[in-house]
Amino acid sequence: GAVVSQHPSWVICKSGTSVKIECRSLDFQATTMFWYRQFPKQSLMLMATSNEGSKATYEQGVEKDKFLINHASLTLSTLTVTSAHPEDSSFYICSAKGYNEQFFGPGTRLTVL
Amino acid sequence: QKEVEQDPGPLSVPEGAIVSLNCTYSNSAFQYFMWYRQYSRKGPELLMYTYSSGNKEDGRFTAQVDKSSKYISLFIRDSQPSDSATYLCAMSLTGFQKLVFGTGTRLLVSP
Repeated sequence: GAVVSQHPSWVICKSGTSVKIECRSLDFQATTMFWYRQFPKQSLMLMATSNEGSKATYEQGVEKDKFLINHASLTLSTLTVTSAHPEDSSFYICSAKGYNEQFFGPGTRLTVL
Repeated sequence: QKEVEQDPGPLSVPEGAIVSLNCTYSNSAFQYFMWYRQYSRKGPELLMYTYSSGNKEDGRFTAQVDKSSKYISLFIRDSQPSDSATYLCAMSLTGFQKLVFGTGTRLLVSP
């Protein structure tokens, strides 16, 4: 089956630093990738949709200058949380669209101290 | 009001029981309805999806959609301990684009 990986699986950083999360589709090409955020006891919330070679489309309320998304190839998308603050601590999950389905990565737990 | 409402549980049942998981939604324009299973520290995995109203069966799993009531259900027959996971409903206007998720229901099946 289609596999999506994320790296790192968890990260702890100091307030004010930037963190990059990678999302890779391992056995298929994905022209579209999605980034979600999940707070405890809340649903997965779509942050942005990225298409290979073009700018990401952000959902209402998501700061595009804070959450930088780059979809440089058909198998890799990155999410950079710039100047992270404790309120950015969350579980970030990516998905890649292939075979008419979204395949999800295992998620990245971000803790900002 | 959230677009998609789902009881977070946990729902505890004995092995072999029939499990009913449900979601309600507010946007009548939703056309695609999905159920995902998520194990701890893993990403969601698609179980089933249906388009518009009706039922769909796949092995021990049955998905139902009632658009008139804005209500969807997932039934699990002969539940197994390996079914213990969080079940998320999701829906969209156009296929697998911009999914809107429920909070997920945690299911515990005891041997």
